[in-house]
Amino acid sequence: DQQVKQNSPSLSVQEGRISILNCDYTNSMFDYFLWYKKYPAEGPTFLISISSIKDKNEDGRFTVFLNKSAKHLSLHIVPSQPGDSAVYFCAASNTGTASKLTFGTGTRLQVTL
Amino acid sequence: DTGVSQDPRHKITKRGQNVTFRCDPISEHNRLYWYRQTLGQGPEFLTYFQNEAQLEKSRLLSDRFSAERPKGSFSTLEIQRTEQGDSAMYLCASSLGTSSYEQYFGPGTRLTVT
Repeated sequence: DQQVKQNSPSLSVQEGRISILNCDYTNSMFDYFLWYKKYPAEGPTFLISISSIKDKNEDGRFTVFLNKSAKHLSLHIVPSQPGDSAVYFCAASNTGTASKLTFGTGTRLQVTL
Repeated sequence: DTGVSQDPRHKITKRGQNVTFRCDPISEHNRLYWYRQTLGQGPEFLTYFQNEAQLEKSRLLSDRFSAERPKGSFSTLEIQRTEQGDSAMYLCASSLGTSSYEQYFGPGTRLTVT
């Protein structure tokens, strides 16, 4: 079963606008969430994370929001830049165990000029 | 900090052959993870080491797969009697361990079994 879901396979946004990527999870034992960016032929690059004790974490242009009751998180990128074009993966872990990551299937973001 | 490195970057092998991949984690990281990624999917967890101890293995890791981390530094992942279904990107990640949950990934080894 897919415990972490990214229901939008792709998203196109104009440069300068906000990109919003969404992620849903089903396992209530997850207590730490991460976003990774991936370019072709490279490994995933860590972007930003959030603990379940928070509902928001910000780092520069990137903000992650967590809604525990809805089991939903989102990544906001503002302003979007052409270099942000990549595949974005949402991942979740249970820090009480091995902290292995469970990934979604990814959302391909295209930032257009 | 040179990041996580993996070798080789690409491997083409014939079905039935054995292959071995190497991962060098970030030097002060005591946790090391292996994941596998196929087209259109996110990475899937295979196994995890804390120092030299292999603490968890996924049910995806059949008995043809074996991983080691002999001195708690680099790790190897061996696949015996490869099958076409083993074709994937094999990713290694490392993390600092307790109180730090971010994992840092290497560039991956792309395996093609013909």
